[in-house]
Amino acid sequence: QQPVQSPQAVILREGEDAVINCSSSKALYSVHWYRQKHGEAPVFLMILLKGGEQKGHDKISASFNEKKQQSSLYLTASQLSYSGTYFCGSYSGGSNYKLTFGKGTLLTVNP
Amino acid sequence: GAVVSQHPSWVICKSGTSVKIECRSLDFQATTMFWYRQFPKQSLMLMATSNEGSKATYEQGVEKDKFLINHASLTLSTLTVTSAHPEDSSFYICSALGSGGLLNEQFFGPGTRLTVL
Repeated sequence: QQPVQSPQAVILREGEDAVINCSSSKALYSVHWYRQKHGEAPVFLMILLKGGEQKGHDKISASFNEKKQQSSLYLTASQLSYSGTYFCGSYSGGSNYKLTFGKGTLLTVNP
Repeated sequence: GAVVSQHPSWVICKSGTSVKIECRSLDFQATTMFWYRQFPKQSLMLMATSNEGSKATYEQGVEKDKFLINHASLTLSTLTVTSAHPEDSSFYICSALGSGGLLNEQFFGPGTRLTVL
């Protein structure tokens, strides 16, 4: 089943913060975050594994609460380059490692 | 590292023709590759899982006779859209599953935009 992302869209001014949520009705082994710019393929941001991980890179960080089957992506002091559609992909175990993607969150950062 | 290429980047073809799309992992071996299609402003929908040396596993609702997948080597998977029709027009993206230290990471190709006239 497809994970649910919220919000569907968010508009920020440069320097503002944003949180994107991803929740699943199935138990999760890992959550994968990607950013996709218009007309391009998704770019990998980070994986969070079972065990309540938190990770960060530059001003983008994420957390994973396996009990709540939720993950959140935090964008701090947003930059214009952060604009794009953010997808979370959920992996619920099994040997095929296939991901199920949410519908995406469109983030627009304006000057 | 972990670069995946796709060829062609875009293709325009007439209805009824077949189109082949290649997906290559350039600097790593990928026993598993995935094929997705994406309609404008929509999410990535998994079509099939491609495993080297074995038959692909198709998702429910995907016609395996229409979308032929061949994973002939550890660095190459191909998707052939047979007898393409306008409703097959879409953005097709492949990804390759990392191994070893990259386990569980999927690396996406740049995508192929198919337009069927």
